[in-house]
Amino acid sequence: DTAVSQTPKYLVTQMGNDKSIKCEQNLGHDTMYWYKQDSKKFLKIMFSYNNKELIINETVPNRFSPKSPDKAHLNLHINSLELGDSAVYFCASSPTTGSEQYFGPGTRLTVT
Amino acid sequence: AQSVAQPEDQVNVAEGNPLTVKCTYSVSGNPYLFWYVQYPNRGLQFLLKYITGDNLVKGSYGFEAEFNKSQTSFHLKKPSALVSDSALYFCAVNIVNRDDKIIFGKGTRLHILP
Repeated sequence: DTAVSQTPKYLVTQMGNDKSIKCEQNLGHDTMYWYKQDSKKFLKIMFSYNNKELIINETVPNRFSPKSPDKAHLNLHINSLELGDSAVYFCASSPTTGSEQYFGPGTRLTVT
Repeated sequence: AQSVAQPEDQVNVAEGNPLTVKCTYSVSGNPYLFWYVQYPNRGLQFLLKYITGDNLVKGSYGFEAEFNKSQTSFHLKKPSALVSDSALYFCAVNIVNRDDKIIFGKGTRLHILP
């Protein structure tokens, strides 16, 4: 029983394409997040949603758009992909704001 | 501004010896502090947290951490290291307000020598 799942695990695409990454949690948590981990393993928060409402929207290009159809899902859509978008993207969830987070396995995005 | 520092990129410890992974923070309010571990090609796993109360917190896999307010530190410790503890460790700080923003340190690679 995977608590936080992401699909796909690997995504290889060309510059200029549009792609989506899906995230689902079956923990009943109220809050979900998207993180980007670069090649040096530096982890940066991108978005945070609480009960489907956007809480955090860090300084990311507006080519990135999160969508939360319900409390258990937070998808990430990326338009006009660029080489610099290559990274591992992690979804996470937490029971409430400020509590520990549970991470998905990550999606490795490679833009060529 | 909030920040978290992990001063060591890598820590090498012999199996069976005690280990310490350092973390210091800078916040303007009362911090919520966390440690996470990341194994290769995996997501982060929560180890332990400090919110309030006893300065020594115990977590998963025999790890513990001590909150030191005067030194603004939250070092991760384990009395006896295992080879399986080799991984990337992240310290994180959160000040719970409307924004719920969490800041991660850059990570420390722990290498346990058999």
